[in-house]
Amino acid sequence: DAMVIQNPRYQVTQFGKPVTLSCSQTLNHNVMYWYQQKSSQAPKLLFHYYDKDFNNEADTPDNFQSRRPNTSFCFLDIRSPGLGDAAMYLCATSRELGQGGETQYFGPGTRLLVL
Amino acid sequence: AQKITQTQPGMFVQEKEAVTLDCTYDTSDQSYGLFWYKQPSSGEMIFLIYQGSYDEQNATEGRYSLNFQKARKSANLVISASQLGDSAMYFCAMSVDRGSTLGRLYFGRGTQLTVWP
Repeated sequence: DAMVIQNPRYQVTQFGKPVTLSCSQTLNHNVMYWYQQKSSQAPKLLFHYYDKDFNNEADTPDNFQSRRPNTSFCFLDIRSPGLGDAAMYLCATSRELGQGGETQYFGPGTRLLVL
Repeated sequence: AQKITQTQPGMFVQEKEAVTLDCTYDTSDQSYGLFWYKQPSSGEMIFLIYQGSYDEQNATEGRYSLNFQKARKSANLVISASQLGDSAMYFCAMSVDRGSTLGRLYFGRGTQLTVWP
C-alpha cells in the first residue's frame, strides 16, 4: 500500500543534542510537509517542500531545518533541542500544492522527548 | 485571515447512534477546501473527508458525511452508526488557493469524541 512512513516512532534526545527525524513516502507526491503538534493542540506547520523548493513558515525557529534529498525522503533536523521542542512531529504529503482540494496525507508521527 | 472554529472540546455518543461535530470557518477567499481528520491516541492523522467550496453536493465517505452550509460558513461532520473505534480527536481544517498561503492547512482546536457502549 502507498503510504507515508516516519521513523522512529519515538525518539528520546538530550537537551542540546542534535536529532534527525525521517519521513519517506511511496505516494510519489510532489509536496512534503513537517508539522509540530504539542499536547492538546492543533498541528502547526513548520515548513514544506514543493519538489526541491523549500518554504519556511515565518515563525519557524532557526533551530529547525529540513532536507529533501529526493522525492521519497524528507528529514527534519533539530539542531539544539530544548525542552519546549518536545512534541509530536508529523510528516504529510500532497500530490500538488494548494489547488484547494489537495488532500494532505499524514504519517504516524514521531513523538520526541527531550531530557 | 483564515480561521477554523470548533466549539465543542468534547462530545459523547452512544454506540450505534449518530453524532455531529461542529465546524465553522472564516475566509475571504472564494476557492477553498475543507477537510476533516481523525487523530486516535496513537497520534496518526487520518484523512476522513473533503469538501470543495464549489461543490454543490455534500461530501460523503461511508459513515462520514459533511454538512456543508456555505452561507453560514459551516462544515459539520456527521458520523452515522458510531463505533467504539471512532473514539478519537477530530480536527476540521481548511486550505485556500491564495499564493503566499498555498499548501497551508488551517486547523481548528479539535473535538474529542468518546463513544460509549
